[in-house]
Amino acid sequence: DGGITQSPKYLFRKEGQNVTLSCEQNLNHDAMYWYRQDPGQGLRLIYYSQIVNDFQKGDIAEGYSVSREKKESFPLTVTSAQKNPTAFYLCASSLQEGSYNEQFFGPGTRLTVL
Amino acid sequence: AQSVTQLGSHVSVSEGALVLLRCNYSSSVPPYLFWYVQYPNQGLQLLLKYTTGATLVKGINGFEAEFKKSETSFHLTKPSAHMSDAAEYFCAVSDTHGEKLTFGTGTRLTIIP
Repeated sequence: DGGITQSPKYLFRKEGQNVTLSCEQNLNHDAMYWYRQDPGQGLRLIYYSQIVNDFQKGDIAEGYSVSREKKESFPLTVTSAQKNPTAFYLCASSLQEGSYNEQFFGPGTRLTVL
Repeated sequence: AQSVTQLGSHVSVSEGALVLLRCNYSSSVPPYLFWYVQYPNQGLQLLLKYTTGATLVKGINGFEAEFKKSETSFHLTKPSAHMSDAAEYFCAVSDTHGEKLTFGTGTRLTIIP
């Protein structure tokens, strides 16, 4: 089955620690995205990548980092510089070309800072 | 810059009643518009999308939406609510084939038995 997987589903972090959230897709999509979701605020774009070895900052990139070494993978690192990291994180992907590149979403990772 | 406003963060309807979730957008170019649904602790699933052509768009689970350029609206409707429709709904806009989406803040739909 084609789709997007995110791991882990739940993640707990101590203050001052960096953590990495995994996102893998087997849809052969070119573009991948990371969003942060907070109650009442909708989804906000953290980073996105349209091609391997290239990525751009979204609206709230501070305190986060990403890499795109493989087409299938787009891990997100939440660094200790992110002051309020507790949130639900969603990864998505879309075709770079083709009609109307709708985004497909993974199941999400809920990060809690202890 | 593009933006989306969803009126009503919470909407409650009785089972069998009409569902109407409101979405207004702002875009400097002809928009692409999307509605997504999210069930608790899950990712988002595409309900329907408007790109070009027919302004009345039909989606999954009996939902539909109408693009009204003069009103800059893209409201989501369903004639008869079902208990399984209880979820959070997000409207989104893009001006570049959906590569970068701007989401509204969401509307939580509750179905009253």
